[in-house]
Amino acid sequence: AIRMTQSPSSLSASVGDRVTITCRASQGIRNELGWYQQKPGKAPKLLIYAASSLQSGVPSRFSGSGSGTDFTLTISSLQPDDLATYYCLHDYDYPRTFGQGTKVEIK
Amino acid sequence: EVQVVESGGGLAQPGGSLRLSCAASGFTLSSHWISWFRQAPGKGLEWVANIKEDGSLTNTVESVKGRFTISRDNTKNSLYLQMNSLRVEDTAVYYCAIDTGACINRICYDAYGIWGQGTRVTVSS
Repeated sequence: AIRMTQSPSSLSASVGDRVTITCRASQGIRNELGWYQQKPGKAPKLLIYAASSLQSGVPSRFSGSGSGTDFTLTISSLQPDDLATYYCLHDYDYPRTFGQGTKVEIK
Repeated sequence: EVQVVESGGGLAQPGGSLRLSCAASGFTLSSHWISWFRQAPGKGLEWVANIKEDGSLTNTVESVKGRFTISRDNTKNSLYLQMNSLRVEDTAVYYCAIDTGACINRICYDAYGIWGQGTRVTVSS
């Protein structure tokens, strides 16, 4: 199974800060990766698919980049509503696997 | 309104069985791949299984192979997860999620755009 390693596991940033979360795959996965946001007690929400395509309705402050083994989710200007845990999920082969998550807190 | 609702969770003994259901409203499930995911208490997300639009193809994570079976009934706009030989480590919130489809240059990517609220499964004696 492909192992997805996210970093950092948690971060604390101020409103307006630029936040970057990285995800590394244990082998090349082309651009077959999505990013999901999960707020406490809620189901996950799709933010990005195909590594860099923004899901309809998701604010443009979210962006994704990368291909091969290294991927990035960027929040250009952190907002209070962005308090959540963020996960990457590859769809290159089976089994699909997630990164361990990055918990984002607001200072 | 587009939504999916899971049901069937609850308390089961180790070795027991449960059948989860996922019912869709506001859209037709038959056009979509669908997955089950789960999240153990305080842990991250795990993909469990998925099923093709017509039910002809399924994939399952190794840890549940031979114990869990994913199926669907498109006439009822529903998805199921039959869970047998349950283990304590199967304790989790189970989510169904709809792959709403994202194809770019004839390459199609997973894009789980619709999720249920989850149903809790507890396996304990």
